[in-house]
Amino acid sequence: DSGVTQTPKHLITATGQRVTLRCSPRSGDLSVYWYQQSLDQGLQFLIQYYNGEERAKGNILERFSAQQFPDLHSELNLSSLELGDSALYFCASSQPRVNEQFFGPGTRLTVL
Amino acid sequence: AQTVTQSQPEMSVQEAETVTLSCTYDTSESDYYLFWYKQPPSRQMILVIRQEAYKQQNATENRFSVNFQKAAKSFSLKISDSQLGDAAMYFCAYRSGGAQGGSEKLVFGKGTKLTVNP
Repeated sequence: DSGVTQTPKHLITATGQRVTLRCSPRSGDLSVYWYQQSLDQGLQFLIQYYNGEERAKGNILERFSAQQFPDLHSELNLSSLELGDSALYFCASSQPRVNEQFFGPGTRLTVL
Repeated sequence: AQTVTQSQPEMSVQEAETVTLSCTYDTSESDYYLFWYKQPPSRQMILVIRQEAYKQQNATENRFSVNFQKAAKSFSLKISDSQLGDAAMYFCAYRSGGAQGGSEKLVFGKGTKLTVNP
């Protein structure tokens, strides 16, 4: 158990819908990262938040957005869902000046 | 942009034997970190080992060790005395050290699926 929690574990929805994925980092970790794992794209970085502010952006679609709240939990919002958004979404967290990222168990999103 | 290449989509090893997984990367940075993550069928991403680029000594964690060749930009993982529980996808990952303003994001290779035969 990495100490990073993600909810829900599984999500099944339809095209065009909007979903919210939630992540709680390890105690003391200020950085939260979101990654997408799909069969065709592999593991890709989406976005990073540090202490409530956006720090870095990767290949995140405009239909996707994220935020980190004062209690440091983070949410990833996916809207206008398409079949190709079906993937495993990971959240990871790390402490300042620590190089390791600890991953949550992931949320499996299926878009039908 | 940094890239990570794992040229072996699949590997197999006999239980108790040794196997080496290959990884090469491309970067113009001098300050960075390299990692191997394991992803078993449960899909959980588990950190196996890490290497700081400024350290010449190869990292070791129990049965897992790396061969870090900085000039060749190579970072292979050796698993000794392979166990059935080692069967998983293994991902090589790169992270900028940040000294040159690089992102802290992880850049992953495509992965190597390791099968351990009894």
